[in-house]
Amino acid sequence: AQRVTQPEKLLSVFKGAPVELKCNYSYSGSPELFWYVQYSRQRLQLLLRHISRESIKGFTADLNKGETSFHLKKPFAQEEDSAMYYCALSSDNYGQNFVFGPGTRLSVLP
Amino acid sequence: DAGITQSPRHKVTETGTPVTLRCHQTENHRYMYWYRQDPGHGLRLIHYSYGVKDTDKGEVSDGYSVSRSKTEDFLLTLESATSSQTSVYFCAISPSRGQRNTEAFFGQGTRLTVV
Repeated sequence: AQRVTQPEKLLSVFKGAPVELKCNYSYSGSPELFWYVQYSRQRLQLLLRHISRESIKGFTADLNKGETSFHLKKPFAQEEDSAMYYCALSSDNYGQNFVFGPGTRLSVLP
Repeated sequence: DAGITQSPRHKVTETGTPVTLRCHQTENHRYMYWYRQDPGHGLRLIHYSYGVKDTDKGEVSDGYSVSRSKTEDFLLTLESATSSQTSVYFCAISPSRGQRNTEAFFGQGTRLTVV
């Protein structure tokens, strides 16, 4: 069965420091990976997806199939980056086709 | 924003009473999900649906039931609400894999308080 893990519940960094939010997955097929962000009291929204290889708000993520990872990175954290971040996987399964990790709360300190 | 709405947005109910939350979509997406979000736990899947009348349990399904009689509506019912079900509930929708721009869209959430 597909599964997404995010080992850190909380990550605190200082403004201007690099950020890396970890995500690992298990899936036997060819996955599509996503990062979602939730700002305070708002709905979750898509941040980026691996197939578009884009950079959004300075964040990037590279799919590493060998390590089954999709870590989210940003070279210089900003206070407005403070939010909950969820890694997600989309599969070919007939049933549940979207699986979310438990989330990491990023806190960027001034 | 994707056409997904949750109702009600806020509800306070008493322990032991039944509660139904509604998720309505206008995107004609196949998949619909109910999650609860609690501090320290992130998102946890309650139930999901992969078509009309096709539903299955998630990791925290005890005390909850769902129904999907139409593509556009996915109802979550708490048969007898308990204080442990105080939470923020999110509905999500997604199209079939392989459709253009596969993505999960979320509703704005329902804040439920059981007193």
